[in-house]
Amino acid sequence: EIVLTQSPGTLSLSPGERATLSCRASQSVSSSFLTWYQQKPGQAPRLLIYGASSRATGIPDRFSGSGSGTDFTLTISRLEPEDFAVYYCQQFGSSLYTFGQGTKLEI
Amino acid sequence: QLQLQESGPGLVKPSETLSLTCTVSGGSISSSTYFWGWIRLPPGKGLEWIGSIFYSGTTYNNPSLKSRVTMSVDTSKNQFSLKLSSVTAADTAMYYCASGSGFRGWAFDIWGQGTMATVSS
Repeated sequence: EIVLTQSPGTLSLSPGERATLSCRASQSVSSSFLTWYQQKPGQAPRLLIYGASSRATGIPDRFSGSGSGTDFTLTISRLEPEDFAVYYCQQFGSSLYTFGQGTKLEI
Repeated sequence: QLQLQESGPGLVKPSETLSLTCTVSGGSISSSTYFWGWIRLPPGKGLEWIGSIFYSGTTYNNPSLKSRVTMSVDTSKNQFSLKLSSVTAADTAMYYCASGSGFRGWAFDIWGQGTMATVSS
């Protein structure tokens, strides 16, 4: 089973700053199947990035994803107040999904 | 636009079976375009994938849940369901149904609002 480790666990930043979230896999992951989600309290997760770098429909271009192999990154170029949430990476391989433990982005 | 809605009992006793249903609207559950899944969020923890079911009827489960998971599709009702047997307090969580397509890297792009399931006597 592929384990995804996200860092940092909590990231404290201010609106307007740049956020860099990391997702490291215990073994190589196909970039085609690396996904990022955003979840706010009381809401369902929201798809942000699929295929490591493709933005989902309606996602602002301040969100970007990059990486390959075992190291992936979600970058938010200029934080807006509504971006403070928990972010999860997820991988799909051998018909199984695993999630990272999440990064909490707080003000 | 595809929409999903979970339904379930809310409270389940230890050792019993948790049964949840996801009703699909705005699209056909028989479509080869979509696949379906269940994900949960335990209080204070992160997301955990439970299992997925494809239009062919093939299912895949999280190995950590072993043989406790059963998933099925009811095409006549446009619903899919989850049964989790022998539940314990560790199964208390918000349960989400979700769907996706192979065109978006097998990501889950449509989610239900979630239903809380509490295991307690």
